[in-house]
Amino acid sequence: DAGVTQSPTHLIKTRGQQVTLRCSPKSGHDTVSWYQQALGQGPQFIFQYYEEEERQRGNFPDRFSGHQFPNYSSELNVNALWLGDSALYLCASSLLVADRDEKLFFGSGTQLSVL
Amino acid sequence: QQQVKQSPQSLIVQKGGIPIINCAYENTAFDYFPWYQQFPGKGPALLIAIRPDVSEKKEGRFTISFNKSAKQFSLHIMDSQPGDSATYFCAATYGVDSSYKLIFGSGTRLLVRP
Repeated sequence: DAGVTQSPTHLIKTRGQQVTLRCSPKSGHDTVSWYQQALGQGPQFIFQYYEEEERQRGNFPDRFSGHQFPNYSSELNVNALWLGDSALYLCASSLLVADRDEKLFFGSGTQLSVL
Repeated sequence: QQQVKQSPQSLIVQKGGIPIINCAYENTAFDYFPWYQQFPGKGPALLIAIRPDVSEKKEGRFTISFNKSAKQFSLHIMDSQPGDSATYFCAATYGVDSSYKLIFGSGTRLLVRP
């Protein structure tokens, strides 16, 4: 049983470019959340998707957008990249209707470097 | 009010020692407190979690102590092993709808020497 898979694993972009990161949730999971983890920091919540809609959003600008597909996979898009967007981007999946002791499974992340 | 403050930033113990990592919060609405372990190049993995209606929870060598009045909670790792060397994050959240919107601490890098 594959866990949460993310692609690509590493990415290098230049300022002003746009990037798309991809996530496939763990089998059976219907909810995908995205987090940004800067070097030496804890992950910060970006947004959560369920039934192809954004349900919750953290304190991130509109340059960060996402999408969820009917098969529950998800994309994170970041426009107009700037240096401060360099970070590890983590995708996490779970079941929306579940006891909160149900584990939130994280992928290994996409390391984005903006030059 | 949404912050979770974690200390220490780094910790070195000998094999068999009991490292203790502490977290403090302000938002009394928080009602779920998980701890995550992260190895280099990997995403965080849930270790153990506690709700504020209990003061202690044990799972294997990992124990959470919770002090609701002080708004503090801590992770103890019994009989620590070199394989426990990783970064540990505390987190908090509240409300069923926000159960996936975790507020993470800044992390503690633990090194267990053989």
